[in-house]
Amino acid sequence: AQSVTQLDSHVSVSEGTPVLLRCNYSSSYSPSLFWYVQHPNKGLQLLLKYTSAATLVKGINGFEAEFKKSETSFHLTKPSAHMSDAAEYFCVVSNYGGSQGNLIFGKGTKLSVKP
Amino acid sequence: DTEVTQTPKHLVMGMTNKKSLKCEQHMGHRAMYWYKQKAKKPPELMFVYSYEKLSINESVPSRFSPECPNSSLLNLHLHALQPEDSALYLCASSHPVRAGELFFGEGSRLTVL
Repeated sequence: AQSVTQLDSHVSVSEGTPVLLRCNYSSSYSPSLFWYVQHPNKGLQLLLKYTSAATLVKGINGFEAEFKKSETSFHLTKPSAHMSDAAEYFCVVSNYGGSQGNLIFGKGTKLSVKP
Repeated sequence: DTEVTQTPKHLVMGMTNKKSLKCEQHMGHRAMYWYKQKAKKPPELMFVYSYEKLSINESVPSRFSPECPNSSLLNLHLHALQPEDSALYLCASSHPVRAGELFFGEGSRLTVL
């Protein structure tokens, strides 16, 4: 069975400091992993995806994530936070062996950025 | 700007009303989705349409009725809803071979009185 655990429900950083949002996954198959961002009162936007190519994945807005199979982790990082990064972030695992709707969402991590 | 357009952005309805939520995309995607999102929770899948046919219904109550009139449009018909159905309803679309890469609309915020 697939599952994903976001280790922090809330992360607070100062503007200009690094961001680390942690995600661990469980999968019986070689997983596809995603990070989505949701700004207040908005829909979700895909930040980046891992689909068994390079283990270090670069996304939009300066975010990147590293797939570590040995640690079953897919943590999201950014070198320098910007005020506009304040949002809810969801780690998602997909089992392509299943249906198109088979996306498992983490519970989300709220990122706050202090000036 | 989102390429998935949802209307209305806000909807208030009584428990006896009939209303519809609409979703439109022009990216040529052949998979479309309805998700329900409660406050401070992740989205929950409701329905998936693939090539205009309903492929997934996640045991959603019959007071929610989806419809896919063509490859660009997705509707969600609402009837006899309950206050606990108040939520943000998100539409999404994807390319059939890139499932997981969803494009979301901004959602329709529904309040049931």
